[in-house]
Amino acid sequence: EAQVTQNPRYLITVTGKKLTVTCSQNMNHEYMSWYRQDPGLGLRQIYYSMNVEVTDKGDVPEGYKVSRKEKRNFPLILESPSPNQTSLYFCASSLDWTSNQPQHFGDGTRLSIL
Amino acid sequence: GDSVTQMEGPVTLSEEAFLTINCTYTATGYPSLFWYVQYPGEGLQLLLKATKADDKGSNKGFEATYRKETTSFHLEKGSVQVSDSAVYFCALSLYSSASKIIFGSGTRLSIRP
Repeated sequence: EAQVTQNPRYLITVTGKKLTVTCSQNMNHEYMSWYRQDPGLGLRQIYYSMNVEVTDKGDVPEGYKVSRKEKRNFPLILESPSPNQTSLYFCASSLDWTSNQPQHFGDGTRLSIL
Repeated sequence: GDSVTQMEGPVTLSEEAFLTINCTYTATGYPSLFWYVQYPGEGLQLLLKATKADDKGSNKGFEATYRKETTSFHLEKGSVQVSDSAVYFCALSLYSSASKIIFGSGTRLSIRP
């Protein structure tokens, strides 16, 4: 089954403790992206990657890192999490980076930073 | 800058009512337009899309027409069901932006039996 898999689905942690949210897709998609969803703000893009070893900042990259060493994986790293990063996070992928390709989303990761 | 504005929710309707959720956009260039749906506890799923002016996207009884003259992409359905209760997001994607996608803030729809 074609899917985007995120882990963990839920995480409660404390300020400053490094964490990684993994994202993996099995569709051989070139383009992958991370979003955060906050009430009243819709989805805002954190980082995106057009292909292996190619990443770029989205609208809200501060406090986050990403890497794309393999085509299928695109982990999101919070080196020193803070409470304002408490949010619902989604990973997404699409066939390529042309504008008419729809995104395929994971089921989300709810992070709570205390 | 580029943006998407959609009507605020929540929207509450009775089953079999007609649905319209308004969406307008601002973009430099010629975006592709999308509607995504998010059911509780799940990620977003593509509902429909349109890639050029006057295109009509349709799926599961939902329709939206890409109107360049009014920069709009309103979502409509003739007869809603309880199972349509979800959050709906309008989005645009610009080729010139290396596929950066911009989402509206979402509209929560609740359908009463």
